[in-house]
Amino acid sequence: NAGVMQNPRHLVRRRGQEARLRCSPMKGHSHVYWYRQLPEEGLKFMVYLQKENIIDESGMPKERFSAEFPKEGPSILRIQQVVRGDSAAYFCASSDGTSPQETQYFGPGTRLLVL
Amino acid sequence: AQSVAQPEDQVNVAEGNPLTVKCTYSVSGNPYLFWYVQYPNRGLQFLLKYITGDNLVKGSYGFEAEFNKSQTSFHLKKPSALVSDSALYFCAVRDRNTGGFKTIFGAGTRLFVKA
Repeated sequence: NAGVMQNPRHLVRRRGQEARLRCSPMKGHSHVYWYRQLPEEGLKFMVYLQKENIIDESGMPKERFSAEFPKEGPSILRIQQVVRGDSAAYFCASSDGTSPQETQYFGPGTRLLVL
Repeated sequence: AQSVAQPEDQVNVAEGNPLTVKCTYSVSGNPYLFWYVQYPNRGLQFLLKYITGDNLVKGSYGFEAEFNKSQTSFHLKKPSALVSDSALYFCAVRDRNTGGFKTIFGAGTRLFVKA
């Protein structure tokens, strides 16, 4: 039973380029969460999605960031026109969405470096 | 507003000694509480959670945590530390009264276990 998969594991972009981060949840999980971890800091919630729906995007920056979780395929976190401050580790977690007490299971993360 | 405080950036302990990693929380209602561990360049691994019932929760790798409602704390403990326990530990909270799935993480505590 594969865990949460994220790719790429490492991504290097130049300022102004686009970054696409992918997350495949655990089998049977329909809920996906994205978090950002800046160096030497904790995780900050960004967005919570179900299939084809954004449930809570209160942690997403207002500009340049978007997320989707289509009916088929992985969840995508997209960052347009990246800046150096976007350099961070981005983690995806998944759950089966049955209740708030459930455990979220995390992927290995994508480490984004903006040059 | 929900928040989690991990008052120690770093905890040092000798192998074989007991360890404690502290966590206090603030939520408007009753909490779900979680501990995760992160090894270098890896995602977060779930250790344990408090939902309801017995205040002492046992988790993976010999870890346990005690929920103290009056002190709003959820300290992580282990009777005998191992060098391999050295990692970054995160406490997290969800407010069950809001019914939401949004998880708030503490800033993390780095544990060093010396041989």
